[in-house]
Amino acid sequence: GIQVEQSPPDLILQEGANSTLRCNFSDSVNNLQWFHQNPWGQLINLFYIPSGTKQNGRLSATTVATERYSLLYISSSQTTDSGVYFCAAPRNRDDKIIFGKGTRLHILP
Amino acid sequence: NAGVTQTPKFRILKIGQSMTLQCTQDMNHNYMYWYRQDPGMGLKLIYYSVGAGITDKGEVPNGYNVSRSTTEDFPLRLELAAPSQTSVYFCASSWVVSNQPQHFGDGTRLSIL
Repeated sequence: GIQVEQSPPDLILQEGANSTLRCNFSDSVNNLQWFHQNPWGQLINLFYIPSGTKQNGRLSATTVATERYSLLYISSSQTTDSGVYFCAAPRNRDDKIIFGKGTRLHILP
Repeated sequence: NAGVTQTPKFRILKIGQSMTLQCTQDMNHNYMYWYRQDPGMGLKLIYYSVGAGITDKGEVPNGYNVSRSTTEDFPLRLELAAPSQTSVYFCASSWVVSNQPQHFGDGTRLSIL
């Protein structure tokens, strides 16, 4: 089945820094999602982005479906950006959505 | 809109006990999912449903059962609780998997002692 791999596994940055998180997937997808899990455990959907680029405030995401990767950019990081970022994609032959293992981001004040 | 509501938020079970985790969504979504998240790990799909009366296994279905009698509700049943089932359980829903994002509940933290 589809493999979803995220890098880096951990990232520690100073407040104000920019970051890029990567998600590679092993098969073609028609749906790619990015989630943020905050320190309280809540999962928030950031982007649904099967292809192209989307922006929402300081966050943006780009998916290059033909090359099977997606990038999440966080600019001017704030301590509230801390948490774990997951990407998720469905397998094409059924509707199972598979999550990567996540990137744990820690923003230092 | 309440979105996806999970109950209870916390529960402690003894080995061998059974319980049902409840999940309700009020967005009229066809697709519903159950995931488990072990400490420091990603989410693994337990079961999912593409509509009322239809369920299918995910990556880690053993030890669990589900039913989908209505569009709104997707309960997850543990019949014989085992320590390996200690985890945080998330329910999610979406309209159509291919072109709509998933919406998650706040999770149920379950400990089996």
